Amino acid sequence: GENVEQHPSTLSVQEGDSAVIKCTYSDSASNYFPWYKQELGKRPQLIIDIRSNVGEKKDQRIAVTLNKTAKHFSLHITETQPEDSAVYFCAASRGGLTFGKGTHLIIQP
Amino acid sequence: SAVISQKPSRDICQRGTSLTIQCQVDSQVTMMFWYRQQPGQSLTLIATANQGSEATYESGFVIDKFPISRPNLTFSTLTVSNMSPEDSSIYLCSVRDEVRASYGYTFGSGTRLTVV
Repeated sequence: GENVEQHPSTLSVQEGDSAVIKCTYSDSASNYFPWYKQELGKRPQLIIDIRSNVGEKKDQRIAVTLNKTAKHFSLHITETQPEDSAVYFCAASRGGLTFGKGTHLIIQP
Repeated sequence: SAVISQKPSRDICQRGTSLTIQCQVDSQVTMMFWYRQQPGQSLTLIATANQGSEATYESGFVIDKFPISRPNLTFSTLTVSNMSPEDSSIYLCSVRDEVRASYGYTFGSGTRLTVV
């Protein structure tokens, strides 16, 4: 089955700086790669996603890149703000979602 | 995106008993998914529920422990059977949005289960 590795497990950045979270996947049949933000006690919320026929996608301060050959994809958050503090999960799918272990992003004021 | 109503939102159960969790979607969806999120951890897919056929379980999960029903295209239940404290987790249902081209997955609000 699919295996998704996510790094780092914890990331602390200064407010206004950029944050990058990286994931690798194992199943070349996976064709959909979402990123979720989960705040304490809440359900995961989709923040951006990318399909396997696209290399990059951007939505305001958030971008995702996908390298199918290397089987890795990354989340980029620019101009970080305190409200970006949360746990972020990457996932890969060809049906149900296989999640990475998560990254606890801490924005230092 | 689809709106999911999941209940109960939380429950405290005695070991050895069973709990059934319900998910209702405001639109017809082909596939519904059930996940478990243990405290402080990531989400793990339990099974995929398709209407009109048996659920497909992921490695490590079995039908006797987590029976699933999918009577129609808007509703599903997950039962956690013969519970032990190790079953204490958040259980979430999810659907794939079949309207948006990006096929986003939406989650219910989750059921926080504590087994004592």
